[in-house]
Amino acid sequence: QVQLVQSGGEVKQPGSSVKVSCKTSGGTFSTYAINWLRQARGQGLEWMGGIIPILGTINYAQKLQGRVAITADEPTSTAYMELSGLRSDDTAIYYCAADLVGMTAGFNPWGQGTLVTVSS
Amino acid sequence: SYDLTQPFSASVALGQTASVTCGGNNIERKNVHWYQQKADQAPVLVIYRDTFRPSGIPERFSGSNSGNTATLIISKAQAGDEADYYCQVWDSSTAVFGGGTRLTVL
Repeated sequence: QVQLVQSGGEVKQPGSSVKVSCKTSGGTFSTYAINWLRQARGQGLEWMGGIIPILGTINYAQKLQGRVAITADEPTSTAYMELSGLRSDDTAIYYCAADLVGMTAGFNPWGQGTLVTVSS
Repeated sequence: SYDLTQPFSASVALGQTASVTCGGNNIERKNVHWYQQKADQAPVLVIYRDTFRPSGIPERFSGSNSGNTATLIISKAQAGDEADYYCQVWDSSTAVFGGGTRLTVL
């Protein structure tokens, strides 16, 4: 089964940008959609958007449109999420999660999470 | 937008059956997925497409979906089942989550 390994935690200044990576292994990158989600401390799960690399299709949550960019690099089987205009309420654990294309099989598996802290 | 409603908390006695509900308008027309999240860990898929269990998930976990309510059922509850549980559907190419239910095993 595919495994997802994310980049390490980040501390960022308000107004700056952060880019988190999600490297996949053990599966065929082209058969997955890679989604990005986040969870603020003590809060629920929020979907940010997803990419289907083989189709070049990208969807974003309406709330984050214009601030989030999701990309994928097929040669390295790595997906990226960049969030700009960071605010204190963007402080959260950011997860990537795989979803088999066309299978409606849920997000499985998830990366280990990346803590992004926005603080001056 | 589509809303999913979960109770904030639920409890079950050790060895008994727990039910966690997820309410949504005509949710029976959607595929519902359920995730378990233990403290300080990433979520894990426990039920997909209403009733299917991923590889490695015990048979004690099952699901149903009818009318306006989907339900996650955990039979013979164990201490290790204590966690937050989230339901999720897709609506207009957007993934929507319920607010989560904290399950306590007594």
